[in-house]
Amino acid sequence: KQEVTQIPAALSVPEGENLVLNCSFTDSAIYNLQWFRQDPGKGLTSLLLIQSSQREQTSGRLNASLDKSSGRSTLYIAASQPGDSATYLCAVRPAAGGGADGLTFGKGTHLIIQP
Amino acid sequence: EPEVTQTPSHQVTQMGQEVILRCVPISNHLYFYWYRQILGQKVEFLVSFYNNEISEKSEIFDDQFSVERPDGSNFTLKIRSTKLEDSAMYFCASRGTFSSYNEQFFGPGTRLTVL
Repeated sequence: KQEVTQIPAALSVPEGENLVLNCSFTDSAIYNLQWFRQDPGKGLTSLLLIQSSQREQTSGRLNASLDKSSGRSTLYIAASQPGDSATYLCAVRPAAGGGADGLTFGKGTHLIIQP
Repeated sequence: EPEVTQTPSHQVTQMGQEVILRCVPISNHLYFYWYRQILGQKVEFLVSFYNNEISEKSEIFDDQFSVERPDGSNFTLKIRSTKLEDSAMYFCASRGTFSSYNEQFFGPGTRLTVL
């Protein structure tokens, strides 16, 4: 059974710093990996999707990498801003066919950017 | 930009009552999902739906749960006899086309409170 772990569980840094959030998964047979942002009491906003054949994806100040064989992904946030404060979730989609594409989520990293 | 919508935003019900949570997926999407998030816990996959039938369900999705696409736009989750432990945020998601690379887009969620 796939397990997704995110470290650290919480992180507080001053504005302007670059930071890295970590995600690991136990079963490397994945189709893709998605990073989401969740604001308190709100839904999930998709940030980046990395296909299993890719090594990284970039969107603005965000860069996500994937090392499928070692079961790890990182989300790099450059020049952090107070508006980046949120919980960041990592989720993997299994490689199995037959319509099995439910995502397995980590518990998230709660990020606070201090002004 | 197209988005997934969900109604109601908050539902309060008595234990043992039936509830129906409603979702309008993104209009050209073909794959539909329900997830739930108990307060303070991970987002968990419940069920996926394609071509008017369930394609995958988790062990959480027992006989108390059912899904339906009653028309061309709505996608519903019914809980027949709610329990206290069904209290959670329920998220609907949708994905487009046959491409397995497409990301899942999430709605804002319905907070279900069972008293």
